[in-house]
Amino acid sequence: DVKVTQSSRYLVKRTGEKVFLECVQDMDHENMFWYRQDPGLGLRLIYFSYDVKMKEKGDIPEGYSVSREKKERFSLILESASTNQTSMYLCASSLWGTGYNSPLHFGNGTRLTVT
Amino acid sequence: SQELEQSPQSLIVQEGKNLTINCTSSKTLYGLYWYKQKYGEGLIFLMMLQKGGEEKSHEKITAKLDEKKQQSSLHITASQPSHAGIYLCGAALNRDDKIIFGKGTRLHILP
Repeated sequence: DVKVTQSSRYLVKRTGEKVFLECVQDMDHENMFWYRQDPGLGLRLIYFSYDVKMKEKGDIPEGYSVSREKKERFSLILESASTNQTSMYLCASSLWGTGYNSPLHFGNGTRLTVT
Repeated sequence: SQELEQSPQSLIVQEGKNLTINCTSSKTLYGLYWYKQKYGEGLIFLMMLQKGGEEKSHEKITAKLDEKKQQSSLHITASQPSHAGIYLCGAALNRDDKIIFGKGTRLHILP
């Protein structure tokens, strides 16, 4: 089974702090993704990566950056956390290719609260 | 506007009853996926459908993709408390696209 591990289940941070969310997958997947999930808005794509050191903006990249130095690890960075970034953050990976033929496998999520 | 519409938004069903959740798009669905999410947790991959008319089953859950590839349904037979959660459909709307998601259907099972 694919295992996608997010480093924290719950995080509480203060406004203005720099926040790192870590994600590791153990199945040699090419693609990795960061989503946030909010009531009424569903899942929204923040950033994704199809290869090491490559990154592409999703639908809502503002206020976030990412890093992928190794194939198995994809980090989401909140440069200066704000209260509107309070959310559930979900990391996912897929084997290769596009959404046509490669399902996403998700981690358990990190619930971030910014106070 | 939401490109993937799920219905109903919420569903309360007596244990043992059957139920159906729908996922509809105005565009052709490529790589249609069904996921289940327990409250406060990540998404669990259930099934992938690609061909028009395709049907797959996993335990008591059956998913179908219609012939026109614009609607999928997820059917649960003889529902159990373990089926409770949020069901989300995801799809690529063309072959080169990323997966987008519906807003989910929240399922409650009454004992």
